[in-house]
Amino acid sequence: DARVTQTPRHKVTEMGQEVTMRCQPILGHNTVFWYRQTMMQGLELLAYFRNRAPLDDSGMPKDRFSAEMPDATLATLKIQPSEPRDSAVYFCASGTGTANEKLFFGSGTQLSVL
Amino acid sequence: QKEVEQNSGPLSVPEGAIASLNCTYSDRGSQSFFWYRQYSGKSPELIMSIYSNGDKEDGRFTAQLNKASQYVSLLIRDSQPSDSATYLCAVTPENDYKLSFGAGTTVTVRA
Repeated sequence: DARVTQTPRHKVTEMGQEVTMRCQPILGHNTVFWYRQTMMQGLELLAYFRNRAPLDDSGMPKDRFSAEMPDATLATLKIQPSEPRDSAVYFCASGTGTANEKLFFGSGTQLSVL
Repeated sequence: QKEVEQNSGPLSVPEGAIASLNCTYSDRGSQSFFWYRQYSGKSPELIMSIYSNGDKEDGRFTAQLNKASQYVSLLIRDSQPSDSATYLCAVTPENDYKLSFGAGTTVTVRA
């Protein structure tokens, strides 16, 4: 079964450290989304790409977060420096880029910043 | 005003009953509407999509869309304990791929 692969599944780090999360979208999908989920805010869109080009990253704190797609098989989300308020589950999702976009989610990265 | 709002939960229904979930959206030009199910500790998975006014049925699930009222609903008939999860309404705006989610409604089906 085709699926979105995220690594790592869990990450515990100390405040101030750099965190890198990786995502392999489903082969052939050309849109990639990064979401953050917390109990308080629900699912928030951080950034998304189409054909590797960033379309919208307005949901991301620019001073510490960055998202890139070095190639079609890899998307990365970096936090530097990390803060306790960044603790959340980060989901990557990919889609086909059609008008009626259906997204397929990865298993998520559970991030805890101490 | 949030882009997508869902009726607050949690919603508890007895097994075999109908669970009714509601969602409203603010962008009148929105074009695509989805319901995702998320089990505790898992990722969201798509269960229904609807693009035009009216009803769409898939097994025990029925999605209803009323664009004039900016309203989407999901009915779960013959609810089963396995339906216990959080249901997320999601909307795509006009001419965009961005999918915005509501806060979700947690459903518990009592055996």
